[in-house]
Amino acid sequence: TQLLEQSPQFLSIQEGENLTVYCNSSSVFSSLQWYRQEPGEGPVLLVTVVTGGEVKKLKRLTFQFGDARKDSSLHITAAQPGDTGLYLCAGGVEGAQKLVFGQGTRLTINP
Amino acid sequence: EAGVAQSPRYKIIEKRQSVAFWCNPISGHATLYWYQQILGQGPKLLIQFQNNGVVDDSQLPKDRFSAERLKGVDSTLKIQPAKLEDSAVYLCASSLGPRTPLHFGNGTRLTVT
Repeated sequence: TQLLEQSPQFLSIQEGENLTVYCNSSSVFSSLQWYRQEPGEGPVLLVTVVTGGEVKKLKRLTFQFGDARKDSSLHITAAQPGDTGLYLCAGGVEGAQKLVFGQGTRLTINP
Repeated sequence: EAGVAQSPRYKIIEKRQSVAFWCNPISGHATLYWYQQILGQGPKLLIQFQNNGVVDDSQLPKDRFSAERLKGVDSTLKIQPAKLEDSAVYLCASSLGPRTPLHFGNGTRLTVT
């Protein structure tokens, strides 16, 4: 059973379009992190959210943590080919000292 | 700052052979992690060290996998004997402490034939 479910698993859109990917769980997390991974490399941290309802912006990327701290979303405005990659969410498990990862959303932006 | 270093980058072995991976974390990072990432999936935590002590190894197949972090710095992960299903990328990460942002190495891609 996957603790964190990411959707969609695959997304292919044209340059300039907007998109949203989701990270959902039935568990409460103390924090949630988003990473991007490119082929042949390790994941790279994009953002950490810790407060329910928190919204963080990173240029064209907007991250939101759900009010109940069980879910999160990543919205990309005017997607560019450089946004292509595997987007991973990772939750800090309440009462434990570890992060658990979702299975990822593989995003392809076509020129 | 120098990133997390891993070696080798690639390894191909036959089933039932043994293999070892090495990781050098970012200087000063107390927490070190080994993750297994099977193609098309997210990373799965195998073992987490805090300095040279094990914090979590609940998903480490202990009959064949072992890991150590001597002196709280470098770490090695060993598989003996390897199975076909061990084919994956093995990622090492480090962080200042538990649940602080992780810094990943580029991984070792293991193929078991």
